[in-house]
Amino acid sequence: GQNIDQPTEMTATEGAIVQINCTYQTSGFNGLFWYQQHAGEAPTFLSYNVLDGLEEKGRFSSFLSRSKGYSYLLLKELQMKDSASYLCAVRSDSNYQLIWGAGTKLIIKP
Amino acid sequence: DTGVSQNPRHKITKRGQNVTFRCDPISEHNRLYWYRQTLGQGPEFLTYFQNEAQLEKSRLLSDRFSAERPKGSFSTLEIQRTEQGDSAMYLCASSLASQGEQFFGPGTRLTVL
Repeated sequence: GQNIDQPTEMTATEGAIVQINCTYQTSGFNGLFWYQQHAGEAPTFLSYNVLDGLEEKGRFSSFLSRSKGYSYLLLKELQMKDSASYLCAVRSDSNYQLIWGAGTKLIIKP
Repeated sequence: DTGVSQNPRHKITKRGQNVTFRCDPISEHNRLYWYRQTLGQGPEFLTYFQNEAQLEKSRLLSDRFSAERPKGSFSTLEIQRTEQGDSAMYLCASSLASQGEQFFGPGTRLTVL
């Protein structure tokens, strides 16, 4: 079967660093995406990894290990506006469809 | 605004009624996707189009659901004989190609009473 696991909820403090993990078991792999979704809004693209390693983009970084079926999203210098759900999605290598995790709700406290 | 747009943003209907939603993708994008999302869950894939061709439908998509993209531009999603379990956010996304990132519209929130 196909499975993507993320923690349901995390809490962090403004100005701190938080790491959101994602593990996946899929029948094929053609890249992993992270999206941010604020309550009541559509998901917005954050990052894409297809090769092992770290991709850095400003305050956000994403890491991928294909052999371990593991990724994380690292958020630095947290701001209150970072309170949102963070969705991990794996793209299939057969039909290029995205398989989505349930998302991690991140709560930022002052 | 050149992003993905969806109409209506909200729809309240009574059980048994038919509803239709519209999605206008980013103009140069040839792939268009429909998803359904319920609270606390990730998007569930419903169907997608490459240009005007509907290439795949999820098993979630019962015969009450139908989608079209007649000219390869905008798309409509129709739900016939709505049920309370159809209440969800319906998201549309588009991408330039199979390998491209998907850009999402704001969604249509459906409430079936």
